Amino acid sequence: KQEVTQIPAALSVPEGENLVLNCSFTDSAIYNLQWFRQDPGKGLTSLLLIQSSQREQTSGRLNASLDKSSGRSTLYIAASQPGDSATYLCAVNTNAGKSTFGDGTTLTVKP
Amino acid sequence: EPEVTQTPSHQVTQMGQEVILRCVPISNHLYFYWYRQILGQKVEFLVSFYNNEISEKSEIFDDQFSVERPDGSNFTLKIRSTKLEDSAMYFCASRSAGLGYTFGSGTRLTVV
Repeated sequence: KQEVTQIPAALSVPEGENLVLNCSFTDSAIYNLQWFRQDPGKGLTSLLLIQSSQREQTSGRLNASLDKSSGRSTLYIAASQPGDSATYLCAVNTNAGKSTFGDGTTLTVKP
Repeated sequence: EPEVTQTPSHQVTQMGQEVILRCVPISNHLYFYWYRQILGQKVEFLVSFYNNEISEKSEIFDDQFSVERPDGSNFTLKIRSTKLEDSAMYFCASRSAGLGYTFGSGTRLTVV
């Protein structure tokens, strides 16, 4: 059974800092991995999708990496802003389309 | 940008009542999903749907739950007899082959 763990559970940083969020998963037989952002009481906004054959994906200030063999992914946020404050979720997807989510990392960026 | 639309955004129902949560997936997507998130907990997979049938379901998705794609655009989740513990945010998602999920904004279901 796939298990997804995200560390840290919460992170508070001053504006402008670069930061790394971690995601680990127990079963390396994944189809792809997706990072989401969730604002309080809201839905999930997709940030980045990494296919199992890829090593990283970039979108603006965000960079996600994937090391499938070791069961790890990181989300790097450069030059953080207060608007980046949210919960970041990692989801590991199987070929059949089932997603297993981590508990998320709640990020607070202080002005 | 195409969106997954869910209605209603919030539904309150009495225990034992039937509820239907509605979703309009992105039009050219072929795979459809329902997830739920109990307040303060993880997003949990409920069911996946492809080619007009359930392709996978979790242990949460028992006989009280059903899904349907009644026409070419809607995708519904029905809970036959709601329980207090069904209170959660329910998310619909869709995707195209090889791509990631697009989630709707969710329906907050409150069972009283």
